[in-house]
Amino acid sequence: KQEVTQIPAALSVPEGENLVLNCSFTDSAIYNLQWFRQDPGKGLTSLLLIQSSQREQTSGRLNASLDKSSGRSTLYIAASQPGDSATYLCAVRGTGTASKLTFGTGTRLQVTL
Amino acid sequence: SAVISQKPSRDICQRGTSLTIQCQVDSQVTMMFWYRQQPGQSLTLIATANQGSEATYESGFVIDKFPISRPNLTFSTLTVSNMSPEDSSIYLCSVRQGGAEQYFGPGTRLTVT
Repeated sequence: KQEVTQIPAALSVPEGENLVLNCSFTDSAIYNLQWFRQDPGKGLTSLLLIQSSQREQTSGRLNASLDKSSGRSTLYIAASQPGDSATYLCAVRGTGTASKLTFGTGTRLQVTL
Repeated sequence: SAVISQKPSRDICQRGTSLTIQCQVDSQVTMMFWYRQQPGQSLTLIATANQGSEATYESGFVIDKFPISRPNLTFSTLTVSNMSPEDSSIYLCSVRQGGAEQYFGPGTRLTVT
């Protein structure tokens, strides 16, 4: 059974800092990995999708990497802003077209002025 | 990408009653899912809504408690039946087309008193 862990559970940084969020998973047989952002009481916004054959994906100030063999992914946020404050969730999808996403417990990020 | 809407956005219900949540997608999608997010927790998959057939439920979730309909490729409903305070959660509709990204609706925040 796939298990997904995110460290740290919470993080507070001053505006402008670069930061890294970590995600680890126990079963390396994944189809893809997705990073999401969730604002309090809201739905999920997809940030980046990395297919199992890829090493990284970039979107604006966000860069996600994937090391499938070691069961790890990182989300790098450059030049953080207060608007980045949210909970960040990673989710891995197993192999097979009908496979489901398994979510981590999330990292709650606060960017202070 | 897919744009997903859910109704209602929030509701307060009395125990013993039922609530039906609607999910509408702006394009035809192969796979639709229903998730639950209990307070302070990550997301848990309730079921996969199959068009034209019964939903496929995850362990711990049963059709009598969470009946699901999916009459076509753009619409689904989830009913939370005979509610108790433990059903207080955010319920999220999600869609995926083939091997692509998974998208989430804005969620329905349910409080059971």
